This record gives sequence, C-alpha cells and structure tokens, in this order.
Amino acid sequence: RKEVEQDPGPFNVPEGATVAFNCTYSNSASQSFFWYRQDCRKEPKLLMSVYSSGNEDGRFTAQLNRASQYISLLIRDSKLSDSATYLCVVMDSSYKLIFGSGTRLLVRP
Amino acid sequence: DTAVSQTPKYLVTQMGNDKSIKCEQNLGHDTMYWYKQDSKKFLKIMFSYNNKELIINETVPNRFSPKSPDKAHLNLHINSLELGDSAVYFCASSQGQVYGYTFGSGTRLTVV
Repeated sequence: RKEVEQDPGPFNVPEGATVAFNCTYSNSASQSFFWYRQDCRKEPKLLMSVYSSGNEDGRFTAQLNRASQYISLLIRDSKLSDSATYLCVVMDSSYKLIFGSGTRLLVRP
Repeated sequence: DTAVSQTPKYLVTQMGNDKSIKCEQNLGHDTMYWYKQDSKKFLKIMFSYNNKELIINETVPNRFSPKSPDKAHLNLHINSLELGDSAVYFCASSQGQVYGYTFGSGTRLTVV
C-alpha cells in the first residue's frame, strides 16, 4: 500500500466550477500535512499547509481528518491558471516529506 | 534572485559515465534535500542534510553520493550512470524539518 494515495485524475472542469481532491495516508504517526502544486515540467511549489481545524486561503480550502487519515483540498471558482497537478504531502515522524503521485486538474474555458 | 538553484538544468549523457549536479540555496535554510521524480511523476526522497550532516539516506544505490561542503550547498555525484537513472532530480531546502520545502527548478537527466 502506498504511503500517500491520491486519485490521479485528470479532473476536467469548466471555469468557475468547484472541484475537490482527496488523499489518504497510511502512517498514523504523520505529523504535518501540505498541498503542493506542480505545473508541467516545473518544480513543486507549496500551496498551503493543512491544519486539523481546517484552513482557507482565498478560493482554496484544506481539511484534515486525523481519525480517518484523510486530507482534502477544495478549489472554488476554478480559473484556467489553476490547471496543474496537485500533490498531497505528508511529513512522517522522521521529518521526511512523503509525496502522493498527484491529481491532475484541467480547467477548460 | 533564485532561492534554490540547481545546475545544470538539462544533462544528457551516456551509460557508464560519472556526472555531478550542483545545488545552492540563499535562503539561510539549515536543511537540504535531494528528491528524484521518475517517469511516473512520483517524487521520492533520496538524501537529506542538516547543517552539513547526513540525516536521511534512503535506499539509494551507492553509485549516488551526496556532498555538502557547507549548509548552503548540496551536490549530488552519480557514478556509472544507468538507463534507469533517467529522471528529474530536485534539490530542496527548509528551515528545520517541520516546515514545507522550497524546491529548485530541477535537473532533467537523460542517460542514453
């Protein structure tokens, strides 16, 4: 079983749509959680950290459920520029970042 | 002013050669990493250094040898390159080990 699992997609949505990505992780001792964004042929960039209480950054909302070992990312009012691969990332107990394989999002006009 | 810079950006080389990739960060971070992203886009950690000390060494062939001359630099030397080494190699840095990382733009290595 992979340590961090994501639906690979692609999610193909029209501009303005709301889209949600889910992620599960296997190690209950994981300590920190993040969403990264990676554009084609570019490096991953930190989108947001994920906190147990849930957190929002503009059109992006992240949720963490430690009991279910489940992380989500909600994008409201999708823009063309949101097209990218979204990586669910978990920091394990030895402080390593473990990456999911990513969910590809395509926002069409 | 680039925060984490890697050179070269592209590297095409023949099997059996030895090559190095360099990484420098100007963020004042104390921890640096090498990650490998294969053709399936999976990002996997290879090594981590904290203040020049090796702290993470994943199951990587010993043909791969990292070197950190100071906390702002982490280089990766690869001996006897194989076809399977073809991938994108990302350097990253962080302050401590708790926060998210800043990645370099990657080195696309192709072994022919």
